[in-house]
Amino acid sequence: DIQLTQSPSSLSASVGDRVIITCRASQDISNALAWFQQRPGKAPKSLIYGASSLQEGVPSKFTGDGSGTDFTLTISSLQPEDFATYYCQQYNSYPRTFGQGTKVEIK
Amino acid sequence: QVQLVESGGGVVQPGRSLRLSCAVSGVTFSSYAMQWVRQAPGKGLEWVAVISYDGSKTFYADSMKGRFTISRDNSKNTLYLQMNSLKPDDTAVYYCARVLGSNTGTYIDYWGQGTPVTVSS
Repeated sequence: DIQLTQSPSSLSASVGDRVIITCRASQDISNALAWFQQRPGKAPKSLIYGASSLQEGVPSKFTGDGSGTDFTLTISSLQPEDFATYYCQQYNSYPRTFGQGTKVEIK
Repeated sequence: QVQLVESGGGVVQPGRSLRLSCAVSGVTFSSYAMQWVRQAPGKGLEWVAVISYDGSKTFYADSMKGRFTISRDNSKNTLYLQMNSLKPDDTAVYYCARVLGSNTGTYIDYWGQGTPVTVSS
């Protein structure tokens, strides 16, 4: 199975900050990586697919990058609604796997 | 507007069975693969299973293989998850999700709101 390791597991940031979350795969997954946002008590929301393509309706302050084994999600100018947990998922092979999540908290 | 609405969750004793449903509207259901993803209390997301657009192919997480069965009824625009021999570790919120791409699909675009399952005596 492909393991995905996210770092950091949590971070504190202020409104207006830029944050970067990393997702590392245990083997090459090309660009078969998606990112999701989950606010407390809510269902996940799809943000990015293909490592860097925005889902419809997702603001451009979310940027995905990477290929192979190393990926990043950058959120520019954090707003209150962006404080949430973020997950990566690989869809290169079965079983699909998720990273453990990165919780973005208000400083 | 695509809508995915799960139902069927609840409290069940260990060893018993439960069937979850996911009603899909606003889209041609039979054109898309579908997945189940779960989330134990306070934990991260865990992939459960996928089914192809026509139901001919399925894949499961190893820990659920043999106990869980994913299926669909395209005439009813509904996805199912039959869960047998339930264990306390199966306690989670179960989400259905639409998957884009051919056959069993690739990435998720839409999620349901989830249905909670508690396995306890």
